[in-house]
Amino acid sequence: DSGVTQTPKHLITATGQRVTLRCSPRSGDLSVYWYQQSLDQGLQFLIQYYNGEERAKGNILERFSAQQFPDLHSELNLSSLELGDSALYFCASSVATGENYGYTFGSGTRLTVV
Amino acid sequence: GQNIDQPTEMTATEGAIVQINCTYQTSGFNGLFWYQQHAGEAPTFLSYNVLDGLEEKGRFSSFLSRSKGYSYLLLKELQMKDSASYLCAVRDEGGSQGNLIFGKGTKLSVKP
Repeated sequence: DSGVTQTPKHLITATGQRVTLRCSPRSGDLSVYWYQQSLDQGLQFLIQYYNGEERAKGNILERFSAQQFPDLHSELNLSSLELGDSALYFCASSVATGENYGYTFGSGTRLTVV
Repeated sequence: GQNIDQPTEMTATEGAIVQINCTYQTSGFNGLFWYQQHAGEAPTFLSYNVLDGLEEKGRFSSFLSRSKGYSYLLLKELQMKDSASYLCAVRDEGGSQGNLIFGKGTKLSVKP
């Protein structure tokens, strides 16, 4: 157990629907990062939060949004889902930005859009 | 632009040594990371380099040359459990402090 908790582990939903993925960071970690991993693209950075505030944005679609709450857990909302959104979604956390031991990843949520 | 290149696949024999190369072109640089990822699982941290040279940690070593935009991960005394994908990632400070940019990974198969 890495200490980063993601729920649910698996999600199957239909095109056009909306889902929410949840992440609880490791105790004491202030930064949360969301990544999407599909077979042909590798790990793609979506968005980063630090202590409740958005810090950086990557290749995140407008149909996707995220937030980090006062208790530091984060949610990633995916709407108007398309078949191409099927992927593994990872959350990672770290104590702060700029540290030298990288991130700790959660076990991921596997999203299947049918 | 951002570009991180690694070989897609490699095969090696149990007990042998394998070197996985990574080249990068990023707008900024604040460290290079290697992660191991078994199929369907979370990436786990292996190593970090920010200065040129070799960092050794048990059977795994990582090398960095910032002037060449080049790193490699060296795995010694290969074991079957080392079969996994190895991800090279660069922390790019170009407007996204702390954010890691990942390569597509190298799938390593260790054979008996």
